[in-house]
Amino acid sequence: GAVVSQHPSWVICKSGTSVKIECRSLDFQATTMFWYRQFPKQSLMLMATSNEGSKATYEQGVEKDKFLINHASLTLSTLTVTSAHPEDSSFYICSASGTSGGDSPKTQYFGPGTRLTVL
Amino acid sequence: AQTVTQSQPEMSVQEAETVTLSCTYDTSESNYYLFWYKQPPSRQMILVIRQEAYKQQNATENRFSVNFQKAAKSFSLKISDSQLGDTAMYFCAFMKQGAQKLVFGQGTRLTINP
Repeated sequence: GAVVSQHPSWVICKSGTSVKIECRSLDFQATTMFWYRQFPKQSLMLMATSNEGSKATYEQGVEKDKFLINHASLTLSTLTVTSAHPEDSSFYICSASGTSGGDSPKTQYFGPGTRLTVL
Repeated sequence: AQTVTQSQPEMSVQEAETVTLSCTYDTSESNYYLFWYKQPPSRQMILVIRQEAYKQQNATENRFSVNFQKAAKSFSLKISDSQLGDTAMYFCAFMKQGAQKLVFGQGTRLTINP
């Protein structure tokens, strides 16, 4: 259980175009989804947190107009990189957490990631 | 703000050996959760083990166990009988109780040699 998928797994686009990345929870309802960016040989950097039906909360320094996040359902969140430039090239990873009872933490389950290359 | 520090950028051991990865954290919270995630070459993040701070007993999952020292704010991961498939980047992470966000350490690249 707790499977998260991402699509596409890799994408190459031209500078100035927009790219949409989908994140789906396949076997559970994800009340919260997270989007991370990971540079080579580095840790994950949280970009934003989104709760279903609400606007995403962006981390400091992340341009919300450039990285549009939509969490319209309990199984789908999308990240759109608008007017992409070469510096946006990176590995983008989503994670999802669902409801849990009691005092348990809402464990994050991660998607396989999307490699974006902007030419 | 919480910080997580992994002081070993890289480690390498022979197959079947035991290896311990270090993690320290800084927080003023008393209730929180700690995690170890594994990121193999496929780059899929996989939860290895988690520990609730209020539990004194160290968590164990098969060959993986932790040494949680709350007073020292230390949370090390021990891998017993290491296997080639354990080769991965390992991230220690912190989540305070009631929060949603994970705070990750810098990661330790572990290589298991045949």
